[in-house]
Amino acid sequence: DAGITQSPRYKITETGRQVTLMCHQTWSHSYMFWYRQDLGHGLRLIYYSAAADITDKGEVPDGYVVSRSKTENFPLTLESATRSQTSVYFCASSDYTGSGNTIYFGEGSWLTVV
Amino acid sequence: GQNIDQPTEMTATEGAIVQINCTYQTSGFNGLFWYQQHAGEAPTFLSYNVLDGLEEKGRFSSFLSRSKGYSYLLLKELQMKDSASYLCAVRSPGNTPLVFGKGTRLSVIA
Repeated sequence: DAGITQSPRYKITETGRQVTLMCHQTWSHSYMFWYRQDLGHGLRLIYYSAAADITDKGEVPDGYVVSRSKTENFPLTLESATRSQTSVYFCASSDYTGSGNTIYFGEGSWLTVV
Repeated sequence: GQNIDQPTEMTATEGAIVQINCTYQTSGFNGLFWYQQHAGEAPTFLSYNVLDGLEEKGRFSSFLSRSKGYSYLLLKELQMKDSASYLCAVRSPGNTPLVFGKGTRLSVIA
């Protein structure tokens, strides 16, 4: 049971570079999410997707791009990384079959922008 | 808009009981979740409430009052491994993503 996996787990990049964080889930969940977690802010939603080719902005989408060509993958791209994007990024997925359906998180990707 | 409030930090003694509160103001309500997150790890699901009352799951219980916009997570017989952050999250009606509070960091001391 692989579940939901993220790569890379740890990344250091320079300001202005493009970075892509990968997310893959094996449950065939329809919904996928990207959150970032920062001290003092908690988990904040960046983007989410209800199905392949359907994406929506969350609370903090600026500077990020997502795509979902296949149900199982939901990559997050930082087009031109900034220091303020240093954070822990969590991908999550859910099979929204009812109001009680929880979301399941990947292990996280620690990104440092220098 | 949505606003979810939790205490930032709490400390409790091993073997004791601790209650972590969460208050919320949201445009519509369709369930409240509690997650546990150990340092350096991903959040993991603990409990879910959509109706008023208490849900018990072993040493952990969660309570909800929709009229008061209030929930608490009760941890009994605290163990050192319960030292973690506890996140309250609310779902609005429809297939909307969870909105999380900032989390409560619980330290269990001997």
